[in-house]
Amino acid sequence: TQLLEQSPQFLSIQEGENLTVYCNSSSVFSSLQWYRQEPGEGPVLLVTVVTGGEVKKLKRLTFQFGDARKDSSLHITAAQPGDTGLYLCAGARGAQKLVFGQGTRLTINP
Amino acid sequence: DTAVSQTPKYLVTQMGNDKSIKCEQNLGHDTMYWYKQDSKKFLKIMFSYNNKELIINETVPNRFSPKSPDKAHLNLHINSLELGDSAVYFCASSGSPRSYEQYFGPGTRLTVT
Repeated sequence: TQLLEQSPQFLSIQEGENLTVYCNSSSVFSSLQWYRQEPGEGPVLLVTVVTGGEVKKLKRLTFQFGDARKDSSLHITAAQPGDTGLYLCAGARGAQKLVFGQGTRLTINP
Repeated sequence: DTAVSQTPKYLVTQMGNDKSIKCEQNLGHDTMYWYKQDSKKFLKIMFSYNNKELIINETVPNRFSPKSPDKAHLNLHINSLELGDSAVYFCASSGSPRSYEQYFGPGTRLTVT
């Protein structure tokens, strides 16, 4: 059973377009993180959201944690080729363990 | 300076062999982890150590044995390698077990033939 479902799994769009990636669960998480992973490298933490309804912005990226702390979204405005990568959401259940979603592979075409 | 480093980057070996992967972090973190990422990019925790003590063991076969000589190092030894062990293995660290933020190494791609 996959605790965290990400959608879409694959997304290919043109440079300049906007996009939203979703991370959904039936479970409540104490916090949720978003990572980006590039080929041949480890995941790199982008943001952590902790409070239900919390919104964080990182330049053109906007992250939101659902009110019930079961879901999250990542919105990218005016996507650029440098945004290409695998985006992973991860939920913290208790203090010690992160559960990862299966990832969204994003390709931004010039 | 590399925060979390792993060696080797690539490891190709035959079934039945024993191999080790090493991990070191220079962040001063107390907690280290091993993850396995399969061909579908699904990342799953295997082990977690806090100050050299095992705190998470996620039903991993006994052929996998982590060892932490000190809190800056967490090595992974795998006995009797099987085809299904082929994956990318990531080491990570965090400030404490209660820290949500984990820092990952570059990964070790293990191929068992």
